[in-house]
Amino acid sequence: DIQMTQSPSSLSASVGDRVTITCQASQDISNYLTWYQQKPGKAPKLLIYDASNLETGVPSRFSGSGSGTDFTFTISSLQPEDIATYYCQQYDNLPPTFGQGTRLEIK
Amino acid sequence: QVQLVQSGPEVKKPGASVKVSCKASGYTFTSYGISWVRQAPGQGLEWMGWISAYNGNTNYVQKLQGRVTMTTDTSTSTAYMELRSLRSDDTAVYYCVRDARAVAGTFFDYWGQGTLVTVSS
Repeated sequence: DIQMTQSPSSLSASVGDRVTITCQASQDISNYLTWYQQKPGKAPKLLIYDASNLETGVPSRFSGSGSGTDFTFTISSLQPEDIATYYCQQYDNLPPTFGQGTRLEIK
Repeated sequence: QVQLVQSGPEVKKPGASVKVSCKASGYTFTSYGISWVRQAPGQGLEWMGWISAYNGNTNYVQKLQGRVTMTTDTSTSTAYMELRSLRSDDTAVYYCVRDARAVAGTFFDYWGQGTLVTVSS
């Protein structure tokens, strides 16, 4: 199985800050990577697919980049409603596998 | 609008079985596959397997082979996940999710609300 390693595991930032999360795959996954947002007690929500495509309706402050093994997720200006845990997921090979998550808090 | 509505919480004893349902609406059910993803308390996400709503083909994660069965009822646009021989480490929230693309286990554009399955003696 492909291992997905996210960093950091937790992050504290202020409203308006630029926030970056990284995700590294244990092998080349091309651009077959998604990012999800999960708020406490809720199901995850798709934000970005194919590494950099924004899902319809998702605010443009969210973005993704990368290919191969190294990927980045960015929030350009952190908003209070962005407090959540963020997961990356690869779908190049079965089984699809997730990173361990990054918990984002407001400073 | 696309909705996946799951059945309610379950409490089971070790060794028992559980069957969770997922009723889809707002799209053509047979045009997409359904995966099941689970999340143990305070933990990350784990893909369990996939079923094609078009022809019933399945693909299960190796660690659950022999204990899990996924089915669909196209007449009611409902997917089912049965897990047998339950253990305490099967305690989790179980999500049905719509696969965004036509093949097994891609990414997931719609999620059910989740069903908490608790395994306890």
